Amino acid sequence: AQSVTQLGSHVSVSEGALVLLRCNYSSSVPPYLFWYVQYPNQGLQLLLKYTTGATLVKGINGFEAEFKKSETSFHLTKPSAHMSDAAEYFCAVRKGGTASKLTFGTGTRLQVTL
Amino acid sequence: GAGVSQSPRYKVTKRGQDVTLRCDPISSHATLYWYQQALGQGPEFLTYFNYEAQPDKSGLPSDRFSAERPEGSISTLTIQRTEQRDSAMYRCASSLDGTSQETQYFGPGTRLLVL
Repeated sequence: AQSVTQLGSHVSVSEGALVLLRCNYSSSVPPYLFWYVQYPNQGLQLLLKYTTGATLVKGINGFEAEFKKSETSFHLTKPSAHMSDAAEYFCAVRKGGTASKLTFGTGTRLQVTL
Repeated sequence: GAGVSQSPRYKVTKRGQDVTLRCDPISSHATLYWYQQALGQGPEFLTYFNYEAQPDKSGLPSDRFSAERPEGSISTLTIQRTEQRDSAMYRCASSLDGTSQETQYFGPGTRLLVL
């Protein structure tokens, strides 16, 4: 079975500061990993995903994440936060292979202050 | 359509009533998923469809919950005899096919409140 742990339900950063949102997973098989963002009153939007190949994945809006198998982590980063990044972020894992569900973490709400 | 749509966006009902939620996936997408998201939690899988087939309904919390996709396009999720614990955001997603690397595209969700 797969599971995801997101450390910190709330993270606050200043505008222009580094954003780091943590995600650790457990999976009995090589996982596929995803980060989704949810803006108020909108659906979940894919930021980036890791399936195979390069372990550093670049996504939309300047975000990136690195798959570290040895640490079972897939932390999300952005060098410089913008006010528009304020949202809730969800890490998710999916078993590789045929169709399977996404298993989500509990989410991290990012606040960006001036 | 251009994206996944869901209706209604909000639903308030009284305990014991039946409710039906609708999902209209992206038109070319074969696979459709339903998730339930309680307040302060991440979405949790309920069930999914490949066209009309429903290979996995392991996440449905009780036999009061059912879903269908009779023509392989629009899907409905029905909750019978609603209970207060059913209050949640219900999210629908679709993907081109069911393979694991395919992105799931989510709709805006239906927020259900059971009084």
